[in-house]
Order: sequence, then structure tokens, then C-alpha cells
Amino acid sequence: ELKVEQNPLFLSMQEGKNYTIYCNYSTTSDRLYWYRQDPGKSLESLFVLLSNGAVKQEGRLMASLDTKARLSTLHITAAVHDLSATYFCAVDIKGAGNMLTFGGGTRLMVKP
Amino acid sequence: EAGVVQSPRYKIIEKKQPVAFWCNPISGHNTLYWYRQNLGQGPELLIRYENEEAVDDSQLPKDRFSAERLKGVDSTLKIQPAELGDSAVYLCASSLYDYPYEQYFGPGTRLTVT
Repeated sequence: ELKVEQNPLFLSMQEGKNYTIYCNYSTTSDRLYWYRQDPGKSLESLFVLLSNGAVKQEGRLMASLDTKARLSTLHITAAVHDLSATYFCAVDIKGAGNMLTFGGGTRLMVKP
Repeated sequence: EAGVVQSPRYKIIEKKQPVAFWCNPISGHNTLYWYRQNLGQGPELLIRYENEEAVDDSQLPKDRFSAERLKGVDSTLKIQPAELGDSAVYLCASSLYDYPYEQYFGPGTRLTVT
């Protein structure tokens, strides 16, 4: 059974600071996704990481994937209040045909 | 391009009552998913359709939950009878059956069972 763990579960940070969210998973995968969810809203796709060493950046967010370590990171640079949301990683079991297992989410609060 | 459409957005029912949720996926997306998201948790897959065929329903509580996607487009998820523990947000997502299978989510239906 695939397990996906995120840490921290909750993160309160000041504007302008940097931080990293970690996503560990327990079995082989070749696709990892990051989503953002605002309170009461649905999930918005942020990044799709498809191979070992993949790195993608959008604005103040950068995601990377290490399939050997079964680890993905979401790095936040110079946080701003608008980044406050819950961030989920989701992993697709290799060969299972597009079945996502989500982590528990990291609730990010950026304080002015 | 229109996104995934779900209705209703909110539903409050008493336990033991039936309830149904409707989803219209993004045009051209032949894969449709239903997820359940409990408060403070990540979504959990309930069922996945490839066109009209349910290809994975292992997480669907079949004693009370049912789903259909008759013409390979819209889908309905039903609970009968509802229990208190069914209170959650039910999310529908769709994707192309093509690499990298990126899923796009609808706004969800928030169900409260009293």
C-alpha cells in the first residue's frame, strides 16, 4: 500500500522568509503532483513532476523530485500572504494506471 | 474552456436519507474520478471511470454508495442511506487518458449529514 507523508502539517511563517515542504512516499512512482487548495475551494494544479531530478518553478514556488529517495520538495522563496493555503502532494503508483494517493496536506499561513 | 462542473455545491440531509451528486467533466476528458475529502485530510479516491467503465472502485463502500457514467460523459454518485460519517466534501476530477494524466478538479459538493 502506498503511503504519502507530508511535513510539516502546519507552517506559520513571516512574509519574506524561505521554507521547504517535504513529501515522502513509500513505493516506486514515476509521477508526482503538487496541488494548492484555498479554504472552501477545490484543488488547483501547481506542478507535475515526471522524472528523477525534475525541477519546476512558478513564481515563488519551486518543486523538485528525487525518485531514488522517494522525496519531493516544495520550496517557498520570500513568502507573501497570497501563498497562504493548504498544499498537497499526490503520487501515482507506477504501473497502476493513474491512481493518485494524496498526502495529508501542509497548511501554510504567511503572516504580514 | 469550462472546468469540471459539480452540483449541488452544498447539501444538508438527515441520516438514512438518500443523496446524489452530479459531475460534468471537462469536454474531451474520458477519465473521471470521484474523491472524498474529510476535513483536514487529503482527498481519497472512491472510483475511477475510463469512458463508461468503472476501472477501479475498490475504495467505494458498495453497500451504500453507487456511481454511474452512462454515456461516458456526466457522472452521478449516490449514497443511500447516508450515515453521519459520510459528511465530507465529494470532489469530481477529470483527465485525458494520456500521459501525464493530469487531473483537474471540480469545486466539490460539501455534504453534511445530521
